[in-house]
Amino acid sequence: SQTIHQWPATLVQPVGSPLSLECTVEGTSNPNLYWYRQAAGRGLQLLFYSVGIGQISSEVPQNLSASRPQDRQFILSSKKLLLSDSGFYLCAWATGYDGNTIYFGEGSWLTVV
Amino acid sequence: SQQGEEDPQALSIQEGENATMNCSYKTSINNLQWYRQNSGRGLVHLILIRSNEREKHSGRLRVTLDTSKKSSSLLITASRAADTASYFCATELVQGAQKLVFGQGTRLTINP
Repeated sequence: SQTIHQWPATLVQPVGSPLSLECTVEGTSNPNLYWYRQAAGRGLQLLFYSVGIGQISSEVPQNLSASRPQDRQFILSSKKLLLSDSGFYLCAWATGYDGNTIYFGEGSWLTVV
Repeated sequence: SQQGEEDPQALSIQEGENATMNCSYKTSINNLQWYRQNSGRGLVHLILIRSNEREKHSGRLRVTLDTSKKSSSLLITASRAADTASYFCATELVQGAQKLVFGQGTRLTINP
């Protein structure tokens, strides 16, 4: 069966520090991969999605970047965090067909102080 | 702005009652999906309805889709305290497939 792992689960970082959140998927190949952000009590905002290695689409201009160095690995990064980067970050994957149901990881809580 | 918007933003009912949540969207879709999120956790897929379908059932869940009104509803029958969560609709756009756009969600509280 397929599983998705996302880490770290919680992170407290000072303003101006770098960020790296990592996500891996097991049990499937060539998945679509996604990074979403959720502000407290709000909906999900799609940040990045990828349909293949090295293929990254950015949905909103921001202080973050994403990379997909391997088929089932998706990394969210920042060189210098801002206070506004705080939030709940969710990695997700989909097969790309069958209605493209998305399967989420457990999320990473980021607090920028 | 968000493609999908849920209504109401918050709903509180007694256990055993039915809960209805609505979702409206703006542009043509391939499908619409409903997800559930327990506080501080990842989202869990509940049900998918395609643009050529009008109604779908899964256990105590009933989803309808009206493409002419660009709206969907999620009905949870015989609610339980464990149904307390946030519920989100998500749309896969015709233009922009391979990604889902989520609404702001409805916070559902079931009172025992």
